[in-house]
Amino acid sequence: RKEVEQDPGPFNVPEGATVAFNCTYSNSASQSFFWYRQDCRKEPKLLMSVYSSGNEDGRFTAQLNRASQYISLLIRDSKLSDSATYLCVVNRADSSYKLIFGSGTRLLVRP
Amino acid sequence: EADIYQTPRYLVIGTGKKITLECSQTMGHDKMYWYQQDPGMELHLIHYSYGVNSTEKGDLSSESTVSRIRTEHFPLTLESARPSHTSQYLCASCSGTDTQYFGPGTRLTVL
Repeated sequence: RKEVEQDPGPFNVPEGATVAFNCTYSNSASQSFFWYRQDCRKEPKLLMSVYSSGNEDGRFTAQLNRASQYISLLIRDSKLSDSATYLCVVNRADSSYKLIFGSGTRLLVRP
Repeated sequence: EADIYQTPRYLVIGTGKKITLECSQTMGHDKMYWYQQDPGMELHLIHYSYGVNSTEKGDLSSESTVSRIRTEHFPLTLESARPSHTSQYLCASCSGTDTQYFGPGTRLTVL
């Protein structure tokens, strides 16, 4: 079993739609959680950190469920520019400065 | 965002050549990382450093080596490039938190 698991997608949605991604992680001792965005052939870029109480940044909302060990990302009012791969990222329990990257969920937003 | 730079951005080279991929950051971050990523696949940690004169191997076995003589500089060297080394190499850094910031990557092709 992978340490961080994501549905690879692709999620194909129309502009304006709301879309949600989930991610599960295996190590209950992990403490830091992130969503990164990666465009094709580009480097990953931090989208948002995920806090225990949940957090929102504009159209993006991240939630953490420690009991079930999953993280979610909700994107409201999808834009064409949201098309990318979204990486779920969790810190390793053995070292808080090393991260485990999921293989990503691909989102395609169509006109 | 961290200012982190990688050169070259693209490199096409013949088998057996020695190459060095450069990575530098201007944020004074102690921790730096090298990842390898094939198209459509997840990132794999190949080397990391928590400070000057500190280097460790990552999860994915790699024939490359790294050095950390200065805080801002974390070069990766392949003594004898092979076609199996063809991949994208991404450098990242972070400060006191777990958030990692990535450079633009070097896309290496070994013929």
